Amino acid sequence: DAGVTQSPTHLIKTRGQQVTLRCSPISGHKSVSWYQQVLGQGPQFIFQYYEKEERGRGNFPDRFSARQFPNYSSELNVNALLLGDSALYLCASSQGLAGSGETQYFGPGTRLLVL
Amino acid sequence: AQSVTQLDSHVSVSEGTPVLLRCNYSSSYSPSLFWYVQHPNKGLQLLLKYTSAATLVKGINGFEAEFKKSETSFHLTKPSAHMSDAAEYFCVVTRLNTNAGKSTFGDGTTLTVKP
Repeated sequence: DAGVTQSPTHLIKTRGQQVTLRCSPISGHKSVSWYQQVLGQGPQFIFQYYEKEERGRGNFPDRFSARQFPNYSSELNVNALLLGDSALYLCASSQGLAGSGETQYFGPGTRLLVL
Repeated sequence: AQSVTQLDSHVSVSEGTPVLLRCNYSSSYSPSLFWYVQHPNKGLQLLLKYTSAATLVKGINGFEAEFKKSETSFHLTKPSAHMSDAAEYFCVVTRLNTNAGKSTFGDGTTLTVKP
């Protein structure tokens, strides 16, 4: 079975640009979460979507937005990129909400470099 | 509110000796706790999880962890380290029984295994 897939794997952008990252969950999983992992730190929670509704949001500015589609895939958008947005962006899927004790399965991530 | 503190940023052991990775958590609610491992250039993989059942949790590859509510700890142990255990380990807390989803990661512990 296919695991969580993310695209693209690597991305280079310049300050002020916008970026869209994509995630396809494991088949049958209805929840997708997004995390930002800066080098040397643990992943920081950005969003969780369940059944196409936002169910959790971390401490990130409004430049970060996301959505979930009817097929449960998801996109993360970041506007007006800053150098500090350079990080590994991880997507995780689960059958139910992460807060219900569900196991999250992580994708390989998208590495974003902002110059 | 919830938080996780991994007490050691780096742990070094010799192959065949025990492993102890320490994690303390803080949560205003009943927690669900996880340990994930991240090998270089690979995705996060679940080692084990606690969701209010047995306090001693057994995971993959010989790892186990014990939930101690009185000490707010969830330390990860393995009786005998293997070279392949060298990786980054993350302790994670989520709120159990909630409609909101937010997972909080610790900053990680780098495990080095010496031959």
